Amino acid sequence: DAKTTQPPSMDCAEGRAANLPCNHSTISGNEYVYWYRQIHSQGPQYIIHGLKNNETNEMASLIITEDRKSSTLILPHATLRDTAVYYCIVRVERAAGNKLTFGGGTRVLVKP
Amino acid sequence: DSGVTQTPKHLITATGQRVTLRCSPRSGDLSVYWYQQSLDQGLQFLIQYYNGEERAKGNILERFSAQQFPDLHSELNLSSLELGDSALYFCASSPRTGFSGNTIYFGEGSWLTVV
Repeated sequence: DAKTTQPPSMDCAEGRAANLPCNHSTISGNEYVYWYRQIHSQGPQYIIHGLKNNETNEMASLIITEDRKSSTLILPHATLRDTAVYYCIVRVERAAGNKLTFGGGTRVLVKP
Repeated sequence: DSGVTQTPKHLITATGQRVTLRCSPRSGDLSVYWYQQSLDQGLQFLIQYYNGEERAKGNILERFSAQQFPDLHSELNLSSLELGDSALYFCASSPRTGFSGNTIYFGEGSWLTVV
């Protein structure tokens, strides 16, 4: 699975949009981009994933560049409960499943 | 609630002992994954089972073993425990592709403290 690069930390103001970048310049054509977050010592929580097209769900939006070498996770209105470590992971989907390889992630602190 | 259930939530045991961590995957999920997260460390993949068979192996010590039973629940056995084995152990599960995607969902973890 391709490696990803994320900033180690970022701050965000409560109520504002949080834009989390991820670089995955060596991504292959069949690798999906996944985002998870981990709120202190809880189980990682799935946020969103995509292959080529931009995706949106009730939690966030995922913007993938046309060349697929980078992506941005957007939390539209950050709240204090969004303070967490956010992980960007690229992964091939396989019928029998495939592990996620976690990097260091981005530690996001939402401030009042 | 992810639907993945792990027991026990907390466990304290002595060095040299053996413990078993249990995981019930989401209903219908065939794949189970185990991860270890030591204090201030990243999430390390240990092992994956698919429909009862070992599918992939990561950084799992020889003192650790796992299995997946016919009812699809899984157990992670940790033996000859050392202080450094103190960590959060997460179980996760995913369905077979074609059934709402292949997304992995995590349980809330089992806290193991070795004293």
